[in-house]
Amino acid sequence: DAGITQSPRHKVTETGTPVTLRCHQTENHRYMYWYRQDPGHGLRLIHYSYGVKDTDKGEVSDGYSVSRSKTEDFLLTLESATSSQTSVYFCAISRPGQPGTEAFFGQGTRLTVV
Amino acid sequence: GQNIDQPTEMTATEGAIVQINCTYQTSGFNGLFWYQQHAGEAPTFLSYNVLDGLEEKGRFSSFLSRSKGYSYLLLKELQMKDSASYLCAVRDSNYQLIWGAGTKLIIKP
Repeated sequence: DAGITQSPRHKVTETGTPVTLRCHQTENHRYMYWYRQDPGHGLRLIHYSYGVKDTDKGEVSDGYSVSRSKTEDFLLTLESATSSQTSVYFCAISRPGQPGTEAFFGQGTRLTVV
Repeated sequence: GQNIDQPTEMTATEGAIVQINCTYQTSGFNGLFWYQQHAGEAPTFLSYNVLDGLEEKGRFSSFLSRSKGYSYLLLKELQMKDSASYLCAVRDSNYQLIWGAGTKLIIKP
């Protein structure tokens, strides 16, 4: 257990509404990531953070924003949810630059946009 | 572009051996990872290769050939609990993980 908690675990929301997913870690890791996982696709990086208030875009960042005001919390916001954002969202922490260090994942959030 | 290919689905028999292949084309290489993911759960780390050769860890082994852009995960003495998806990921020159779509392994009695 790498001390990562995602909330909520499940959410159903309507098209056009804002949604915020939370990732909380107790490991004091500097790097945190948000991925989405869809059938037929690998995990795709949405945004990542390399420190408090330091974030950058991944390959599928359109329609998403993030914030990191504290080391332990990384928030993912869908400004106006669309049906194409129905997915399973995973938060992860890792220590890139340290050979052999792997990513640890939260339990995931299953989001359905209707 | 960056690409990781692995078979979509494989079937094997309990007690047997199965090899899951992964080929990759990425911008740089800083290690290859294998993860296991049971349905409805998060991926969990299985193995890491950064040098050519075989890494053995119990019933699981992982092989890497950097010159061929190729890896495989070998599972021996298959058990029903090994039914899961197996994800291959490569850490590129920017230390970002690039993921394959995963191989769903079905184990039959």
